[in-house]
Amino acid sequence: DTGVSQNPRHKITKRGQNVTFRCDPISEHNRLYWYRQTLGQGPEFLTYFQNEAQLEKSRLLSDRFSAERPKGSFSTLEIQRTEQGDSAMYLCASRPNHGGEEAFFGQGTRLTVV
Amino acid sequence: GQSLEQPSEVTAVEGAIVQINCTYQTSGFYGLSWYQQHDGGAPTFLSYNALDGLEETGRFSSFLSRSDSYGYLLLQELQMKDSASYFCAVNTNAGKSTFGDGTTLTVKP
Repeated sequence: DTGVSQNPRHKITKRGQNVTFRCDPISEHNRLYWYRQTLGQGPEFLTYFQNEAQLEKSRLLSDRFSAERPKGSFSTLEIQRTEQGDSAMYLCASRPNHGGEEAFFGQGTRLTVV
Repeated sequence: GQSLEQPSEVTAVEGAIVQINCTYQTSGFYGLSWYQQHDGGAPTFLSYNALDGLEETGRFSSFLSRSDSYGYLLLQELQMKDSASYFCAVNTNAGKSTFGDGTTLTVKP
C-alpha cells in the first residue's frame, strides 16, 4: 500500500463550475477525513467518515459542498458552483479504527478557481 | 467547538532546543497530536499524548497537561531540515481532529 492517494493533484476551474475530488485511503482504514488548507493556516476540518457513514461535517458542507464514501473505501468531495474563495488545498486523511491516533495525509488536491 | 492557540513563528539556530506551546479549548478531549508540514508537502504525524506527561520520540518530545489544557512540542538538536510548520491538533472522543493554525519554525545556521 502506497499511502493515501488523492486525485487530481491540481485543478483549475472557472467560477461557477462544479468540481469533484477523489481520495483513496490506506486499505482497511475505517476513518476518513477531509480538510481544507489555505496559505498560513492549519488544516480546517470539513467532514469525517467512519466506514460509509458520514459522522460529522462542518457548516461549510451544508450548501455547495458534499462528500460521499459509498462503499466505505474511497471518498469523493464535490464543490458545486465554485467561488474564488474555494481556492485552497483540499487534504484527505485516513486513520485505522482501533489504536491509531496517527492520521495519514494524502498530498492534497490544489484547487484554483479563476 | 474547539479552539487552539500556538505561536505563529519561532526562530532558532542549529543545534539549539526549541519549545512550541499549544493551548486548547474543546469538549470531549481525547488527546493532543503534533504534525510537521514542509512547504508544499502534506502534514506528517510526529507525536501524540493522551495522558499527562512527556512522550519522547528521538529528537522530538511532546508534553501534555490535561488540567491546564496545555501541551508543547520540544525539538532538540535542531537541524536545518526541521524548518517547517508545526501544528497541534486536538482529537475528540467523537473521532474528530481539529488543527491549530501552526507555528512556522525557521532554523538558522
